[in-house]
Amino acid sequence: DTAVSQTPKYLVTQMGNDKSIKCEQNLGHDTMYWYKQDSKKFLKIMFSYNNKELIINETVPNRFSPKSPDKAHLNLHINSLELGDSAVYFCASSHPGMGEQYFGPGTRLTVT
Amino acid sequence: QKEVEQNSGPLSVPEGAIASLNCTYSDRGSQSFFWYRQYSGKSPELIMSIYSNGDKEDGRFTAQLNKASQYVSLLIRDSQPSDSATYLCAVLSGSARQLTFGSGTQLTVLP
Repeated sequence: DTAVSQTPKYLVTQMGNDKSIKCEQNLGHDTMYWYKQDSKKFLKIMFSYNNKELIINETVPNRFSPKSPDKAHLNLHINSLELGDSAVYFCASSHPGMGEQYFGPGTRLTVT
Repeated sequence: QKEVEQNSGPLSVPEGAIASLNCTYSDRGSQSFFWYRQYSGKSPELIMSIYSNGDKEDGRFTAQLNKASQYVSLLIRDSQPSDSATYLCAVLSGSARQLTFGSGTQLTVLP
């Protein structure tokens, strides 16, 4: 009965490659998010979608492109990966505009 | 720029003691306040939310909010080794109702 799931859990890749992370939630929430947590554990929002519509698009490189095929799914595609992209990426979901957010298990991305 | 700052850690307390975690925020228009707990290698999980000035108690946890001072705190009574984790303060604000997290305070409860 996983509420928010992400795949893959680990992702090791080389600089310059393109990779995707997938997220799905079965909580019936309308809003989904991508967060990045760096090595210092600082958790920062990247994107927010409400019912497939982009709501928040923080200052992230254009190499990052989210896509929401439906309100239960939010994927993250990253082009031309760089060393600095190494981090843990968390997907989360909530009811619209609520701070009570449910996080997925995270995807640890390592770029070599 | 919305900022959320937490008292620098790490924080160590003996088992059974009270752990006090503090957080300040810069956006006076912030609407809601949250504490998330994150065990090492795991995802954040919500443990407390508070919306109005004063105290809110839930079991061994008490959240305190003072909007005039732009200050939020979390008290953990009778601390247990299982409380050892990083505690993240989060503030909801702005027209987009965006959640901004502090950098976290790592708590260790010593048996």
